Amino acid sequence: GAGVSQSPSNKVTEKGKDVELRCDPISGHTALYWYRQSLGQGLEFLIYFQGNSAPDKSGLPSDRFSAERTGGSVSTLTIQRTQQEDSAVYLCASSPPGQGLVNEQYFGPGTRLTVT
Amino acid sequence: AQSVAQPEDQVNVAEGNPLTVKCTYSVSGNPYLFWYVQYPNRGLQFLLKYITGDNLVKGSYGFEAEFNKSQTSFHLKKPSALVSDSALYFCAVRDGNAGNMLTFGGGTRLMVKP
Repeated sequence: GAGVSQSPSNKVTEKGKDVELRCDPISGHTALYWYRQSLGQGLEFLIYFQGNSAPDKSGLPSDRFSAERTGGSVSTLTIQRTQQEDSAVYLCASSPPGQGLVNEQYFGPGTRLTVT
Repeated sequence: AQSVAQPEDQVNVAEGNPLTVKCTYSVSGNPYLFWYVQYPNRGLQFLLKYITGDNLVKGSYGFEAEFNKSQTSFHLKKPSALVSDSALYFCAVRDGNAGNMLTFGGGTRLMVKP
């Protein structure tokens, strides 16, 4: 079946511009995560959605970052007034219902963001 | 706070030899431990996880990992490496008593040479 998809695959933007990154999770998956992977670094947790519950935003690095998940499916990560340090690969993952937080996560291919 | 350490940036092994990729963790509660692999130009793929039960966990592609509570380790192993195993490997931990965050290590690049 279809995996997690993300768009665009690559995004180059000028410093100060806003960007939107999209994630389509696997159908039926109730949990959705956003991570950031900087060059040579591990993955940094950004935000977690579970069903209709309030999202866990504890990983968002600043108030320039926000995310929405509409209808419990597609999610959009928005970065306002981008800075060069925002350059990274942004990864989305989803996981199925049941077993709560011990489920493995299924990752998308990522969006490579470059801020010039 | 929870944390994961992967002390080796790169591991080199000859094809056919056993491989070990090291991971140690720190959590205040019960650890939920995961290994993921990232092949070039592809997304992360789940390999295996430890939640509870047997300390030796078997996963995809012949990989296994051993949970050692006293040493707070969860090393990834494979008895006989393949060239196709060459990839970036990430260990991750979630504290069973605290929140939704999955904390990843910095990754270890495995290079298997023919």
